[in-house]
Amino acid sequence: GAVVSQHPSWVICKSGTSVKIECRSLDFQATTMFWYRQFPKQSLMLMATSNEGSKATYEQGVEKDKFLINHASLTLSTLTVTSAHPEDSSFYICSARDRVTSGFSTDTQYFGPGTRLTVL
Amino acid sequence: GEDVEQSLFLSVREGDSSVINCTYTDSSSTYLYWYKQEPGAGLQLLTYIFSNMDMKQDQRLTVLLNKKDKHLSLRIADTQTGDSAIYFCAESVMDSSYKLIFGSGTRLLVRP
Repeated sequence: GAVVSQHPSWVICKSGTSVKIECRSLDFQATTMFWYRQFPKQSLMLMATSNEGSKATYEQGVEKDKFLINHASLTLSTLTVTSAHPEDSSFYICSARDRVTSGFSTDTQYFGPGTRLTVL
Repeated sequence: GEDVEQSLFLSVREGDSSVINCTYTDSSSTYLYWYKQEPGAGLQLLTYIFSNMDMKQDQRLTVLLNKKDKHLSLRIADTQTGDSAIYFCAESVMDSSYKLIFGSGTRLLVRP
């Protein structure tokens, strides 16, 4: 159980276009989903926290108009990189917090496999 | 603010034990986690420890927590070549966000 998927797994786009990345929790409901980006050989940097039915909370330095997050249901969050530029090229990873186990014996985030975005 | 630090690289021989260390700053963290990342992939949760525990063992993995020194370690017994990966420790932030703060990652190389 506790599987998180991301789609697409990789995408190449032209500069100036927008790209949407989906994050789905397949076998559990996620009250909260998180979006990270990871540069080569670096750690994960939290971009934003996405709560179902409310606006996302962005980390300092992350442009909310650039990285649009929508959490329309308990199993789906989307990240749209608007007007992408080469410096947005990165590995984007989402995670989902399990609604059932949260606050009880464990509070665990399950990670998706990541989406590699390359902007030409 | 919160900060998590790890050594960047560890090389061991197959069959030996590996010990990956991590220090953190937020003494109010409830959970501390170890994740594994293989090349080009997402993160796999290996194990976690609740902050009121000193040790947790799960098959080949042993987690030690020294809360006084804010030091966390992951020991992998009988390390195999398939264990070669990047290992991240993470601490949970004690507010309503439930977000994780990750260390820089330790690249483990297992030599045959």
